[in-house]
Amino acid sequence: LAKTTQPISMDSYEGQEVNITCSHNNIATNDYITWYQQFPSQGPRFIIQGYKTKVTNEVASLFIPADRKSSTLSLPRVSLSDTAVYYCLVGRNSGNTPLVFGKGTRLSVIA
Amino acid sequence: GAVVSQHPSWVICKSGTSVKIECRSLDFQATTMFWYRQFPKQSLMLMATSNEGSKATYEQGVEKDKFLINHASLTLSTLTVTSAHPEDSSFYICSAQDTFNQPQHFGDGTRLSIL
Repeated sequence: LAKTTQPISMDSYEGQEVNITCSHNNIATNDYITWYQQFPSQGPRFIIQGYKTKVTNEVASLFIPADRKSSTLSLPRVSLSDTAVYYCLVGRNSGNTPLVFGKGTRLSVIA
Repeated sequence: GAVVSQHPSWVICKSGTSVKIECRSLDFQATTMFWYRQFPKQSLMLMATSNEGSKATYEQGVEKDKFLINHASLTLSTLTVTSAHPEDSSFYICSAQDTFNQPQHFGDGTRLSIL
């Protein structure tokens, strides 16, 4: 299973765009890139998933370069409620393959 | 969207008690579910893979006789912490995937406190 590396923590002011980059140099051909958000005492919540190029949904964008060895989660105009731990994971979406969590990035949004 | 439900959300019990945690997929069937454990300020650690109708697969270092997993139906997996001790106090989370190439969905976790 691919190992991921993310910054341990980031700070941002409200209203700013936040970009969190994840390195996954050993990503396999069949691996997808998935980002989750976790608040204290809650299970991780799915944010976005992609395989290559750019994916956008109502809450975030995911940028994946051609070599797929890294990815960037972009959160537009963050608010205080976006303070959480963000996890980047890579792996196959086969249904019977567990996700291996790295340390994640603790984002603190400041008023 | 796919929903995974855990019960109970919080349990406090005395040392030596056995505690059962349920994980249900509410609107889909899951032949495989996963159990994780998370200590304060740490990341999720995979404990075991729960397979419907067969034995669970445990990660290295996880005692299968301590953490009993039963996946008797396509919508329910249970984790029983047997003879729990204070060091078993943790946040237990399950996850499941409904269809191929869709993301896994997580329950809201169970906070276990052993006195």
